[in-house]
Amino acid sequence: KAGVTQTPRYLIKTRGQQVTLSCSPISGHRSVSWYQQTPGQGLQFLFEYFSETQRNKGNFPGRFSGRQFSNSRSEMNVSTLELGDSALYLCASSLAGRRKETQYFGPGTRLLVL
Amino acid sequence: SQQGEEDPQALSIQEGENATMNCSYKTSINNLQWYRQNSGRGLVHLILIRSNEREKHSGRLRVTLDTSKKSSSLLITASRAADTASYFCATDSISNFGNEKLTFGTGTRLTIIP
Repeated sequence: KAGVTQTPRYLIKTRGQQVTLSCSPISGHRSVSWYQQTPGQGLQFLFEYFSETQRNKGNFPGRFSGRQFSNSRSEMNVSTLELGDSALYLCASSLAGRRKETQYFGPGTRLLVL
Repeated sequence: SQQGEEDPQALSIQEGENATMNCSYKTSINNLQWYRQNSGRGLVHLILIRSNEREKHSGRLRVTLDTSKKSSSLLITASRAADTASYFCATDSISNFGNEKLTFGTGTRLTIIP
C-alpha cells in the first residue's frame, strides 16, 4: 500500500497570506489527524477528521481550519499567516482513529512564513 | 501542553552501546506508544504498550511501563548509526470533544557516534 502523502513538501509564504496543505491517507484509513511541529512547542495536535467530520480539535486559533473529503483526503488551511506559523505540518492516518491504533505519518509540509 | 516529557532531551553514545530514554506523563492512560522521527521527516511507529503490560520487546527495542510512577522507558540495544533520530512517546488522552487523541512528548534526540 502507498503511504501517507503530503503536498506540497515545502512552502514559503509571507505574513497575511493564506495557505492550504493537502494530505492523502493510506487507502482504507478513515481518520486523518494534523499536527504542528516547532522546535519550541514540539508536536502539537491540531485536529482530527473522521468520515468528513471534525472529531477532535486542539488548542489552536480559528485561523487554522481543515476539512476531509469523501475519499478521506484532507486539507488544512491557515489564514492570515503569522511568523509563528512557520513549522513542519504533519498529517497522520489510521483506520478509525482509536487510541490503540498506530498512526501512520506523512513526510510533512515545511512551511516558512516571512 | 505536553502530556509526556522525555528525558534526556539529547543523548549521544558510541555505536554498539545501549541507549535508554525515559518518558513521564501526567494522567492515566490506556496505551503508550513510541515513535521515531528522522531529521525533519514524518514519524514512524515503533511499539505500543498497554497499561496492563509492564514490558514489551520488538527486535532491539525494549519498552517498560510503570503506571504507578506514570513513566515509561525505551531501551535500544546494540545501537547503530541508523538509530540516530528523535524519539517520542505518545499517550492517549481524551480531548475537549470527549474523543480519544494521542498527545506526544517533547522527544529525545539520539545521536549514535560511529
